[in-house]
Parts: sequence; structure tokens; C-alpha cells
Amino acid sequence: QQQVKQSPQSLIVQKGGISIINCAYENTAFDYFPWYQQFPGKGPALLIAIRPDVSEKKEGRFTISFNKSAKQFSLHIMDSQPGDSATYFCAASRGTDKLIFGTGTRLQVFP
Amino acid sequence: KAGVTQTPRYLIKTRGQQVTLSCSPISGHRSVSWYQQTPGQGLQFLFEYFSETQRNKGNFPGRFSGRQFSNSRSEMNVSTLELGDSALYLCASSPRTSGGYTGELFFGEGSRLTVL
Repeated sequence: QQQVKQSPQSLIVQKGGISIINCAYENTAFDYFPWYQQFPGKGPALLIAIRPDVSEKKEGRFTISFNKSAKQFSLHIMDSQPGDSATYFCAASRGTDKLIFGTGTRLQVFP
Repeated sequence: KAGVTQTPRYLIKTRGQQVTLSCSPISGHRSVSWYQQTPGQGLQFLFEYFSETQRNKGNFPGRFSGRQFSNSRSEMNVSTLELGDSALYLCASSPRTSGGYTGELFFGEGSRLTVL
């Protein structure tokens, strides 16, 4: 019940395309859903986050869509660029509890 | 503002040895969390410290331990190393307050441990 399931494991997208990464959770008490981006040799960095009182949050080319009834949330990267090539992690937490991460999606954007 | 600093960045140990990893959080951050990152497993939570007290603990054996000092710097120790302990160990600091909800974590670049 504490898991966050992420798919796909890897994703190849052409430049200018839309990248979509999905996550599902079981614990309905989760109240914070961030996405982290990690480049090789670096630690993960917060990209965008959402709380369950909204269904969508957009920051530039990055959008989180949140479906509370389905217990799913997804990251959409519009107009994907080669510089977006990285590993993306979804995560979830409840209150003051630890942040639980998905297993990651390796995104490759080709020119 | 300096970021989260982890030392050493790389280290090689043999089975049965022990290792200590160090983490200096962002100035002013009192919460420090540790994660283990392996291919296919993602980031697995080890523990979180706040003001020298362990606040959360993950599902790792007792060989994994940590502590936090009064200046918020943290160390984690792994004793009796096993081959499966080979991983990237990430430290993250957070500006969260004592009763504050989980928010943004600021990660260091990690310490890559190889156990032979």
C-alpha cells in the first residue's frame, strides 16, 4: 500500500513530441505528489509538484495531471527537447512522512 | 547558497568491511534524509533525521545506521558490507520545520559505493 508504481521504464521520444509518464498509488492518504528529474552524475531535483486538491498543474512545458478517483497521476512534457533527456521519478508522501519514490523512467529525446 | 555536499563521491570496499558516508546539508536545513538508489529499484528510503533525532526509518536491516550532529551534518554507516549494498547513496536536506509537512528535498550528488 506504500508503493508508487511508475511506467514506462524507458521512453524514446522525438524532438517536439509529447512525453508522458504515469504513476499509480494505493494509499489514499497521500497528499503530496512531486516529480523529480535526474541527470547522469547528479542527484534528483524537484521538477514540479501537486497536492490532491487540484487536478492539473502546469509549469512551462511540464504538466502534472492528477486523477484522485483513479489514484493516478502523470507527467506530460510538451515539445520535448534533447535537454529533457534524463531519468524522471514520481513520488508521494503523507503528512510529515517520508517521500516514497517510483522506480524511475529513463527518457531519451532524439533530434 | 551552497548545495548539499556528500563525501566521499566514490569508494570501493570488500565484503565484510564497514563504510561511513558523510552529508552536509544546505545551510539552515535541519532535516536530512538518506536514500539508496539502485537500477530497477529506484530510490529506497533509509532514514530521516531532524535536529539530531531519527524521525522516520525505512525497511533496511540494522546494518544500516545513521546519525545527525548539532550542526545538522549527518553520517550514515553500513557495517558488514554485502555485495548487494553496492549502490548510489543519496542525501537530501529539507527546510521543513519540526511539524512541517513533507516538501521539497534538495539532493546531493551521492556517494557511489561498490562492494567487491
